[in-house]
Amino acid sequence: AQSVTQLGSHVSVSEGALVLLRCNYSSSVPPYLFWYVQYPNQGLQLLLKYTSAATLVKGINGFEAEFKKSETSFHLTKPSAHMSDAAEYFCAVSEGTGRRALTFGSGTRLQVQP
Amino acid sequence: NAGVTQTPKFQVLKTGQSMTLQCAQDMNHEYMSWYRQDPGMGLRLIHYSVGAGITDQGEVPNGYNVSRSTTEDFPLRLLSAAPSQTSVYFCASRSPGTSPGELFFGEGSRLTVL
Repeated sequence: AQSVTQLGSHVSVSEGALVLLRCNYSSSVPPYLFWYVQYPNQGLQLLLKYTSAATLVKGINGFEAEFKKSETSFHLTKPSAHMSDAAEYFCAVSEGTGRRALTFGSGTRLQVQP
Repeated sequence: NAGVTQTPKFQVLKTGQSMTLQCAQDMNHEYMSWYRQDPGMGLRLIHYSVGAGITDQGEVPNGYNVSRSTTEDFPLRLLSAAPSQTSVYFCASRSPGTSPGELFFGEGSRLTVL
């Protein structure tokens, strides 16, 4: 069975600082991994995806994530935080393709301080 | 394109009342799904459909019914609302051939059951 753990329900950084949001997964097969962003009162938007190609994945708004099989991790990073990055971020895992369900983590709320 | 449209955005029900959350997409996506979002629990899959006339249960289906008579619409029915169904509900869809995590989400329907 697949599962996702996001360490830290709240993360606060200063504007211009590094953003690091942690995600660890459990999967019995090579996983597909995703990061979503949710701005206040909006639906989720796909930020980036890992589907067994390059281990370093670049997404929208300057975010990227690195798949590390040995650490079962898929942490999200951004070199320099912007006020507009304040949102909730969800990591998700899926085992394979087709109708297999997507399992979401519990989310990390990112605050960006001026 | 409107994408995924959910109505209503807000609803208050009394225990035992019934209602339908509407979801429509104009992207000709075969796969549609309903999630509920609760604080600290991420998103959990309620029901999903892989095409007109085909539906299946997700992780938390109890208390909810769905049907899929057209490609565009996927309504979620609460037959007898309970306070435990207070949540934010999201409809999501994806196109054929994409991985399970490449979902397009609606803006959500916030339901309160008193």
